[in-house]
Amino acid sequence: DTEVTQTPKHLVMGMTNKKSLKCEQHMGHRAMYWYKQKAKKPPELMFVYSYEKLSINESVPSRFSPECPNSSLLNLHLHALQPEDSALYLCASSQERGVGGYTFGSGTRLTVV
Amino acid sequence: TQLLEQSPQFLSIQEGENLTVYCNSSSVFSSLQWYRQEPGEGPVLLVTVVTGGEVKKLKRLTFQFGDARKDSSLHITAAQPGDTGLYLCAGLVGGTYKYIFGTGTRLKVLA
Repeated sequence: DTEVTQTPKHLVMGMTNKKSLKCEQHMGHRAMYWYKQKAKKPPELMFVYSYEKLSINESVPSRFSPECPNSSLLNLHLHALQPEDSALYLCASSQERGVGGYTFGSGTRLTVV
Repeated sequence: TQLLEQSPQFLSIQEGENLTVYCNSSSVFSSLQWYRQEPGEGPVLLVTVVTGGEVKKLKRLTFQFGDARKDSSLHITAAQPGDTGLYLCAGLVGGTYKYIFGTGTRLKVLA
């Protein structure tokens, strides 16, 4: 299995809702990442997990809360988002220290209304 | 702040033409990668270059890492409509898991 699977593919949520994005990989990768990508822009790093521990938080607002329940799963919990948070949220995984590059999922297209 | 600037930003060419995309920084990176992203999808890794001066070929694509590991180029020979997409370079910040993505080059190849 050489894929990163993200669910849901599309999500529309209100500003008072609580939702979660899910990401799963079975490649034995020990680093997992959340990126945010606005239209026509490159991906921006949000969080990095290494061996299930949060190692990088790029000053992301607390309305985004990551969780890594085990080495194969990565979640992003969303609460009280703003319309400007609408974007494509990408999950990626890699071997230790990014060796060999990232494998990205197809992303979750999030719209906050 | 480490930045990776790509040029050109946009490129529209006819099928069969050659093109080169550049990725430049003032910072040194441990390794550098190139990705292609299609609309609504995640980026797909094309190649990783690690050694300064390294050249890698992938069919019609040729990738080069600068001697000082601060810049890279992607050359496509005889472009095809299937090459259309957003091309992103990404540099690995030494000693971290952090990749910095370039500003992107949007390529359109017309049949």
